[in-house]
Amino acid sequence: DTQMTQSPSTLSASVGDRVTITCRASQNINKWLAWYQQKPGIAPKLLIYETSNLESGVPSRFSGSGGRTEFTLTINNLQPEDIGTYYCQQYNGFPWTFGQGTKVEIE
Amino acid sequence: QVHLVQSGAEVRKPGSSVKVSCKASGGNFNNYAINWIRQAPGQGLEWVGRIVPSFGPPKYAQKFQDRVAITADDSTTTAYMELNTLTSEDTAVYYCARGPGGQRGDALDIWGQGTWLAVSS
Repeated sequence: DTQMTQSPSTLSASVGDRVTITCRASQNINKWLAWYQQKPGIAPKLLIYETSNLESGVPSRFSGSGGRTEFTLTINNLQPEDIGTYYCQQYNGFPWTFGQGTKVEIE
Repeated sequence: QVHLVQSGAEVRKPGSSVKVSCKASGGNFNNYAINWIRQAPGQGLEWVGRIVPSFGPPKYAQKFQDRVAITADDSTTTAYMELNTLTSEDTAVYYCARGPGGQRGDALDIWGQGTWLAVSS
């Protein structure tokens, strides 16, 4: 199985900051990586697919980059509504696997 | 626009089974994958398995291989996940989610509302 490791586990930043979350895969997953945002008690929401493609309706302050084993999610100009937990997911090979999550808080 | 609506919360005793449904509306049910993901209280996301209706056998995570069955009924555009030999560690919210395929692959773009399963004696 491909292990996905996110860092940091928790991130605290101010409104307007640029924040970056990293996701590392234990093996090459090419470009088949997605990012999700989850708020408490609600299903995850797809933000980014295929490493860097923004899902329809997602604000342009979200962006993704990377490839093979190292990927990043960047949030520019952090907004209060961006608080939540972010997960990466690889869909290069079965079983699909998720990172353990990064909780984003506002200072 | 595709919508996924799941069945309601369940309570089961250890050793029993549960079958959760996920009804799809909109879109072509046979053209995309339905994945099942679970989330234990306070924990992260765990992929259980997936099926592409009318397109071969389902795929399962090894961890669940021996006690899960994912099926789909074209006539009602409903997918099901049955989990057997339940233990307290199966207590979780279970989500179905669409993998649209094509360039998007199994980036899970549409999710059901989740079904809470409590396993307790």
